[in-house]
Amino acid sequence: EIVMTQSPATLSVSPGERATLSCRASQSVSSNLAWYQQKPGQAPRLLIYGASTRATGLPARFSGSGSGTEFTLTISSLQSEDFAVYYCQQYNNWLTFGGGTKVEIK
Amino acid sequence: EVQVVESGGGLVQAGGSLRLSCAASGSTFMSYVMGWVRQAPGKGLEWVSAISGSGGSTHYADSVKGRFTISRDNSKNTLYLQMNSLRAEDTAMYYCTKTRYYPDYFDNWGQGTLVTVSS
Repeated sequence: EIVMTQSPATLSVSPGERATLSCRASQSVSSNLAWYQQKPGQAPRLLIYGASTRATGLPARFSGSGSGTEFTLTISSLQSEDFAVYYCQQYNNWLTFGGGTKVEIK
Repeated sequence: EVQVVESGGGLVQAGGSLRLSCAASGSTFMSYVMGWVRQAPGKGLEWVSAISGSGGSTHYADSVKGRFTISRDNSKNTLYLQMNSLRAEDTAMYYCTKTRYYPDYFDNWGQGTLVTVSS
């Protein structure tokens, strides 16, 4: 099983600042990597697939990068609605999720 | 876009059974791989199961293999998850999901149905 490790577990950021979230795979997943956002009491929402392709309607402040085993989700200027938990997921070999990064207000 | 609504969750004793349903809108239901992802209270996401558009191919996480059965009725646009021999660790919100194929990313999620297994 491919293990996905996200860091940090919690990220404290001020509104307007940049947030950089990391996701590492225990073996190469090529570009078969997705990112999701989940707010309290809500279902996850797809943000990024193919490591860097934004989902329909996603603001341009969200960007994904990486391939192989190292991936990054960047939120260029945090808005109030962006404070949430973010998960990465690989779909190269079966399906596994990272443990999540909580982005909280500093 | 396909909209999905889950139902069937509830409180059940350990060792018991429960069947979840997921009703989907739209005429292209049988075109999609459907599945279930769960989330234990305060925890992360765990993929559970997936089924091909025709229903002929199914996949399960090791944690539920042999206890859960996924199925679909394309004439009713409905996905099911039969859960037997339930354990306390199966307690979670169960989300119905849609993908283009298996394995793939989840581009559509329902709001979830809560399953609580009491020990």
